Amino acid sequence: GAVVSQHPSWVICKSGTSVKIECRSLDFQATTMFWYRQFPKQSLMLMATSNEGSKATYEQGVEKDKFLINHASLTLSTLTVTSAHPEDSSFYICSAPNRVGSSYEQYFGPGTRLTVT
Amino acid sequence: AQSVTQPDIHITVSEGASLELRCNYSYGATPYLFWYVQSPGQGLQLLLKYFSGDTLVQGIKGFEAEFKRSQSSFNLRKPSVHWSDAAEYFCAVISGGSYIPTFGRGTSLIVHP
Repeated sequence: GAVVSQHPSWVICKSGTSVKIECRSLDFQATTMFWYRQFPKQSLMLMATSNEGSKATYEQGVEKDKFLINHASLTLSTLTVTSAHPEDSSFYICSAPNRVGSSYEQYFGPGTRLTVT
Repeated sequence: AQSVTQPDIHITVSEGASLELRCNYSYGATPYLFWYVQSPGQGLQLLLKYFSGDTLVQGIKGFEAEFKRSQSSFNLRKPSVHWSDAAEYFCAVISGGSYIPTFGRGTSLIVHP
């Protein structure tokens, strides 16, 4: 089946620094990718839709200047957490839809654990 | 509004016992339905999906789910649970014309030896 990778799998950074997380579709092209945030013991919260060659679409309440998304190619989307603060510590998951018949199936990356100290 | 409900936050079963995790949705038309499993610190793995056809679908790891239109449900079942099944389980729905899933809040499965 389709595979989506994320890098890094975990990262620790100091408050005020920026962190970049990569999401790659390894064996299919993804013009669209999704970025989720997951707090402990909670469900996935959609942050934004990453669109290849155009601006990302952010969900209500998500700061686009803080969570910069770039979708530079058909297989790579990046999420940069700028000026990170401890409250940005979370589990970030990306996914990419792959068309299956008349619908789409989401393939999820393994997630990135961000800890801001 | 469209929604996905997983009424059980936690489910505790003994190893070897049967399991049923509930999922209800509220959509106008028949949606596409998914069950995912997430182990601690990991991403989501697809267990099974329903698009159309036979309402009883088989998935990986011995799981199955049954779509019941009259009840707007897509419950996940397994006849005999293994300790390695302990994880978080998410039901997700995609409505027609979209490819963005809506997730339930998840059910945490605890397996006692």
